[in-house]
Amino acid sequence: RKEVEQDPGPFNVPEGATVAFNCTYSNSASQSFFWYRQDCRKEPKLLMSVYSSGNEDGRFTAQLNRASQYISLLIRDSKLSDSATYLCVVITTSGTYKYIFGTGTRLKVLA
Amino acid sequence: GAGVSQSPRYKVAKRGQDVALRCDPISGHVSLFWYQQALGQGPEFLTYFQNEAQLDKSGLPSDRFFAERPEGSVSTLKIQRTQQEDSAVYLCASSFQIRTSGDTDTQYFGPGTRLTVL
Repeated sequence: RKEVEQDPGPFNVPEGATVAFNCTYSNSASQSFFWYRQDCRKEPKLLMSVYSSGNEDGRFTAQLNRASQYISLLIRDSKLSDSATYLCVVITTSGTYKYIFGTGTRLKVLA
Repeated sequence: GAGVSQSPRYKVAKRGQDVALRCDPISGHVSLFWYQQALGQGPEFLTYFQNEAQLDKSGLPSDRFFAERPEGSVSTLKIQRTQQEDSAVYLCASSFQIRTSGDTDTQYFGPGTRLTVL
């Protein structure tokens, strides 16, 4: 079982839709969490950090549930430009410092 | 300012060849990471440097893989006797520093080197 698991999708949604992705992690010692966005044939770029209290950045909302060990990303009012792969990232510092990536969830927003 | 740069952007190697991939981190960034990303997968951790010290190389898949950062800035990932399964995108990332446990810095990624082994 992978340390960080995501539904690979693809999620095909119409413009203006709301879409949500979940990500589960297995290491309860994980301390920090991020969502990265990766466009086709490009490098990952930080989308947002995920805080315990939940956080919002414009149309994007991230939530963390430590008890159930999952994080989520909600995108409201989807735009064509949101089409990308969304990577869940979990940081573990037990023994060493590591970014552990999920496989990514592909989103395609359709006109 | 300039971001993380990597060279070459594309590399085609014949099976058995040695390759060297270069990473120039953001100036002043203490920490440097190498990842391997296979098609349709997320990046997989290979190794991590803090300045010139290689603190973690647990992700290197075999002893054919070797990384160095002799002066604490530019890093090179070397793959000896390349195999077809080494074909992937190799990503380098840097971050300003590592603070105390539980507090982290954002990693900034370079564009990657796409390695194809024939």
